[in-house]
Amino acid sequence: DQQVKQNSPSLSVQEGRISILNCDYTNSMFDYFLWYKKYPAEGPTFLISISSIKDKNEDGRFTVFLNKSAKHLSLHIVPSQPGDSAVYFCAAPQGAQKLVFGQGTRLTINP
Amino acid sequence: DAGVIQSPRHEVTEMGQEVTLRCKPISGHDYLFWYRQTMMRGLELLIYFNNNVPIDDSGMPEDRFSAKMPNASFSTLKIQPSEPRDSAVYFCASSPSTGYSGNTIYFGEGSWLTVV
Repeated sequence: DQQVKQNSPSLSVQEGRISILNCDYTNSMFDYFLWYKKYPAEGPTFLISISSIKDKNEDGRFTVFLNKSAKHLSLHIVPSQPGDSAVYFCAAPQGAQKLVFGQGTRLTINP
Repeated sequence: DAGVIQSPRHEVTEMGQEVTLRCKPISGHDYLFWYRQTMMRGLELLIYFNNNVPIDDSGMPEDRFSAKMPNASFSTLKIQPSEPRDSAVYFCASSPSTGYSGNTIYFGEGSWLTVV
């Protein structure tokens, strides 16, 4: 059972436009959520997080929105840049030190 | 700091052979994690250790998988016998014990395993 789901395996966006990556979850007890970014041949790196008591967190070009009633979060990147091309994973903590991840979405920014 | 170091980076092996993946966590980190990445399930946690002790191995798929952490600077993930469905990227990650907030997990570059 996948507690964190990313239903779009890939997304293609033109440079300068907004990229929106989506994530759904089933466990309403998650305390916070995270987004990780992964380049080819590298490990995932932390990008941005949001507490479950907030509905928005912004860091530069990256904004994460949380809709608890819909059990849905999204990552907005604006404006999108070629260096944003990567695989993005959403994740949530399960227990003290355990992170559960989604399947990932491959974002491609076209020039 | 050198970061989390994994070896081998790539491994191609025949079905039935034993595979051993190795990991050196970041010095001073108390937690070590083994994840597996597949297209269908994304990043799955296989097992994690705290102070060299296995805490949760519920993600280990079968008895063919085993993991050890003999000391604070080394861990292995072993698959015996290997099967084609084990083909995936295996990530090792570590984190300090001071206030977990997700962004303190550091991943290695991964070990690409192909079982033919």
